[in-house]
Amino acid sequence: AQSVTQPDIHITVSEGASLELRCNYSYGATPYLFWYVQSPGQGLQLLLKYFSGDTLVQGIKGFEAEFKRSQSSFNLRKPSVHWSDAAEYFCAVGPPPNFGNEKLTFGTGTRLTIIP
Amino acid sequence: GAVVSQHPSWVICKSGTSVKIECRSLDFQATTMFWYRQFPKQSLMLMATSNEGSKATYEQGVEKDKFLINHASLTLSTLTVTSAHPEDSSFYICSAARGAGRVTGELFFGEGSRLTVL
Repeated sequence: AQSVTQPDIHITVSEGASLELRCNYSYGATPYLFWYVQSPGQGLQLLLKYFSGDTLVQGIKGFEAEFKRSQSSFNLRKPSVHWSDAAEYFCAVGPPPNFGNEKLTFGTGTRLTIIP
Repeated sequence: GAVVSQHPSWVICKSGTSVKIECRSLDFQATTMFWYRQFPKQSLMLMATSNEGSKATYEQGVEKDKFLINHASLTLSTLTVTSAHPEDSSFYICSAARGAGRVTGELFFGEGSRLTVL
């Protein structure tokens, strides 16, 4: 069965500092990996996704993630956070693209707090 | 980007009543929509897959008679919580897969609907 682990429930970072959010997955085949962000009272917005190709993926809002198969990880990074980045971040894993089944398994989320 | 809208954003109801939540894809057609439930400080749990023009597919452990799903058009899916009880209180989120038939796996999420059952 597929699963996603986000070990950090809550992270606090100073504005302008770098950020890394951890994500580990378990999937029986080649995973399709996602990072979503959820602001209070809003839906989830896709930050980036990875299935194949370059293991360092660039996303929106200055975020990037690196896929490491040997570590079953897909950590999200940002070199310098902004106060507007405060939100809940979810890592998710799903079947390959065009598989016809878009079921995603989500991690428990990491809440990011930014301090001035 | 594509827009998915849920209504209502929040609803309070009495125990024993039924509540309907709508999920609309505003600028694209969605043959497949998904309904999730999110408990406080927990992950999104997939409840069911809603397919336009056919019956929904429920995940294991989700009561289909309790959570009625109707996907009557390519832009609208509804979730009805029947005979609601306090334990049904939760945040319900829908998502839609853009494109007819098979898609590339990107989902667009609604804003969520918070249900409180008294």
